[in-house]
Amino acid sequence: DGGITQSPKYLFRKEGQNVTLSCEQNLNHDAMYWYRQDPGQGLRLIYYSQIVNDFQKGDIAEGYSVSREKKESFPLTVTSAQKNPTAFYLCASSAGGGTHHRELFFGEGSRLTVL
Amino acid sequence: AQSVTQLGSHVSVSEGALVLLRCNYSSSVPPYLFWYVQYPNQGLQLLLKYTSAATLVKGINGFEAEFKKSETSFHLTKPSAHMSDAAEYFCAVSWAAGTALIFGKGTTLSVSS
Repeated sequence: DGGITQSPKYLFRKEGQNVTLSCEQNLNHDAMYWYRQDPGQGLRLIYYSQIVNDFQKGDIAEGYSVSREKKESFPLTVTSAQKNPTAFYLCASSAGGGTHHRELFFGEGSRLTVL
Repeated sequence: AQSVTQLGSHVSVSEGALVLLRCNYSSSVPPYLFWYVQYPNQGLQLLLKYTSAATLVKGINGFEAEFKKSETSFHLTKPSAHMSDAAEYFCAVSWAAGTALIFGKGTTLSVSS
């Protein structure tokens, strides 16, 4: 059954700690994305990757880092430099990384809370 | 900067009533347009998409949307609301190849019996 798996679903972090959110897809999609969702803010793009070993900053990349060593995986690290990391994080993928009419497929999300 | 606007952060309807969720985009260049639905603590699911084949697009769960270039709009409608339609709805736009979707801020739909 193809899809996108995000883990963990819930995560608690102390201030000053880095955390990594996992995103794995078995849809054979070229492109992968990370969005942050806050109440009333919609989805804001953090990073995206069109192909393996390449990624671009989105609108709110500060305090985050990513890697794309494998086509299936696009982990997101929330670093201690991110001033307000408490949010719902959504990973997505799409076929045909160079095209823009392809819809996104989303994971179930990871909710990060900083204590 | 190119943007997408959803008018009304919260819409309330009665069961059986018409649902109308509004979406406008900022550019005169026709984009690709999408509507997504999100249930609490879940990811987003595609309802429908416009890719220039037809201006009236039918989606899942009885929803449809009409692309109106002159109004730069892509409003989502459903003739008769059901309780299960209560969710948050997002309009999203893409203008250029190799770029990510830009999302509106969302509209929460409440359905009362």
